[in-house]
Amino acid sequence: DIQMTQSPSTLSASVGDRVTITCRASQSISSWLAWYQQKPGQAPKLLIYKASTLESGVPSRFSGSGSGTEFTLTISSLQPDDFATYYCQHYISSPWTFGQGTKVEI
Amino acid sequence: QITLKESGPTLVKPTQTLTLTCAFSGFSLSTRGAAVAWIRQPPGKALEWLTLIYGDGDERYSPSLKSRLTITKDTSKNQVVLTMTNMDPVDTATYFCAHWPGYGYGLDYWGQGTLVTVS
Repeated sequence: DIQMTQSPSTLSASVGDRVTITCRASQSISSWLAWYQQKPGQAPKLLIYKASTLESGVPSRFSGSGSGTEFTLTISSLQPDDFATYYCQHYISSPWTFGQGTKVEI
Repeated sequence: QITLKESGPTLVKPTQTLTLTCAFSGFSLSTRGAAVAWIRQPPGKALEWLTLIYGDGDERYSPSLKSRLTITKDTSKNQVVLTMTNMDPVDTATYFCAHWPGYGYGLDYWGQGTLVTVS
């Protein structure tokens, strides 16, 4: 199985900060990576797919980059609505594993 | 508009079999291009991918749970059913179903999730 490792596990930030979350795959997954945002009590929401393609309706302050084994999710200017947990997930082959999550807190 | 909704028991006893249904609308699960996946999340923990069924009926399973999982679809009813045998308290989690639109995309629509407690 391909393992996905996110860092950091927790991130403390303030409104307006630039925030970067890293996701590393245990082997190359090309660009087959998605990022999700999850708030307490809610289902995850797709933010980015194919490593860097913004899902429709997602604010442009979110961006993704990377390929192969190293990927990043960047929030250019953190907004109050962005405090949540973020997960990466690969889908190059079964099983589609998730990272352990990064909690962005105030 | 795509929607998905999970249903099933909220409480099961250890060793019992869990059956969850994902009722969906807004897409057809009759061609290879689309799929429905099941993902679970124990309280306070990370997401765990469980299984996936493509529109052509092809199935994929998490290796660690493969012996206990079965996924099926009923195209006429627009439903996907997850069966998990020999339930244990560690299987206590919120179970989500989600839509995958096809090659290259992520899981774009999710159900609200259903909390299953094993006790």
